Amino acid sequence: RKEVEQDPGPFNVPEGATVAFNCTYSNSASQSFFWYRQDCRKEPKLLMSVYSSGNEDGRFTAQLNRASQYISLLIRDSKLSDSATYLCVVSRGDYKLSFGAGTTVTVRA
Amino acid sequence: EPEVTQTPSHQVTQMGQEVILRCVPISNHLYFYWYRQILGQKVEFLVSFYNNEISEKSEIFDDQFSVERPDGSNFTLKIRSTKLEDSAMYFCASSEPGTGYEQYFGPGTRLTVT
Repeated sequence: RKEVEQDPGPFNVPEGATVAFNCTYSNSASQSFFWYRQDCRKEPKLLMSVYSSGNEDGRFTAQLNRASQYISLLIRDSKLSDSATYLCVVSRGDYKLSFGAGTTVTVRA
Repeated sequence: EPEVTQTPSHQVTQMGQEVILRCVPISNHLYFYWYRQILGQKVEFLVSFYNNEISEKSEIFDDQFSVERPDGSNFTLKIRSTKLEDSAMYFCASSEPGTGYEQYFGPGTRLTVT
């Protein structure tokens, strides 16, 4: 079983729409959770850490469900610049990050 | 805003040759990492480095690989005898301790082994 699984998408949404997607992780000992975004052939960029209580950063909202071992990301009022691959990332607390394969989001005008 | 830098941006080498990829982590960070991403695949952990020693390495990081912090600013990844399957994007990352392990990535070095 993969350590981090994501729906690859693509999610094609119009500007202004809301888009949401999840990932699941297999290791119940995972302690830290993140969403990174990756543009084509570029480095992963930290979008936000995900906390147990859920957290919001502008148009982005992340939720963590430890019991079901899934993490979600919701993007409100999508912009063209939100088009990217979103990487779900977990860590067991040993500083090694485990990446999902990514969910592709395309926002169209 | 401080950032991780990497050189070169693209390296082409022949099979069997040694390559050294260079990284300058963010200056107040103490943990350093190398990851790789084969084209079309996910990002994979290679190695983490703290206090001048490897703290963890993956199965990918075999005897052909080594890391070094030769001075106070650089962090290098050496591949002793490159194979075709080493062709990938190599990302360096760094983090402060105690910040939830938020790692910041450099722009990567694209390694092409021919």
